[in-house]
Amino acid sequence: GAVVSQHPSRVICKSGTSVKIECRSLDFQATTMFWYRQFPKQSLMLMATSNEGSKATYEQGVEKDKFLINHASLTLSTLTVTSAHPEDSSFYICSASTLRGNYSYEQYFGPGTRLTVT
Amino acid sequence: KQEVTQIPAALSVPEGENLVLNCSFTDSAIYNLQWFRQDPGKGLTSLLLIQSSQREQTSGRLNASLDKSSGRSTLYIAASQPGDSATYLCAVILRAGNMLTFGGGTRLMVKP
Repeated sequence: GAVVSQHPSRVICKSGTSVKIECRSLDFQATTMFWYRQFPKQSLMLMATSNEGSKATYEQGVEKDKFLINHASLTLSTLTVTSAHPEDSSFYICSASTLRGNYSYEQYFGPGTRLTVT
Repeated sequence: KQEVTQIPAALSVPEGENLVLNCSFTDSAIYNLQWFRQDPGKGLTSLLLIQSSQREQTSGRLNASLDKSSGRSTLYIAASQPGDSATYLCAVILRAGNMLTFGGGTRLMVKP
C-alpha cells in the first residue's frame, strides 16, 4: 500500500509554454502533499507544501506565480510550471503524507517527473 | 534552521565489504529520521524510518542507528552487493506532518 504516482514521467516543452504535473496517492488519502525539485547530483529541495483545500505554502525563493500548486482533493495535487524556461529543467518529485501505516505522517514519494525545457 | 549533512559524499567499495554511511543534523529536536535510496533518474525508496524515541531499526542487511543527543545517524550496510549501488539520502522531520529536510546524499558504488 501507500503508492504515489506522478504523471507524466518525462516531459519536454518549449520555452514559454506551461506544463502541468500530477501527483496522486493511489490507495490512501493524503492530508498533505509536498513538491520537491532536484537538480543533477544534488539533493532534494522542498518547493512547497500543500494541504487539501487550502493555499500552498512556498519555500523562500520559490515563485508562487510561476509554480502553481492546486490540491483539490485528498488524492490529487498538481504543479503547473508557467512560462517555463530552460533553467526550470529539473527532476520534480512529489510526496504524500498520511496518518496510515506503522508511523504517523510518514511521507511516500512519487517516481518523479523529468522536465526538459528547450 | 535544520541542516543535514552526509559524509562521505561519494564512496566506492569492492563487493562484500561492510560499510557505514553517516548523517548529522543540527537540531536534535526531531520527530523522526528516514533513510532513502535513490537510483539514477528515479524517485525515492524509503529504507528505514527511526522515530525519535527509537535508537535503531533493521531491515535485512541494513541497520540504521539514531543518537538524537549528538545529532547523528548511521546507516550500516552489511556484505555490500553491486545492486546496492545508488545514492543514499537521510532526511529528518521536526514535527508530525511537517516537511523533510534532506542531506546531500552519499553516492555509493559497489564494484563486483
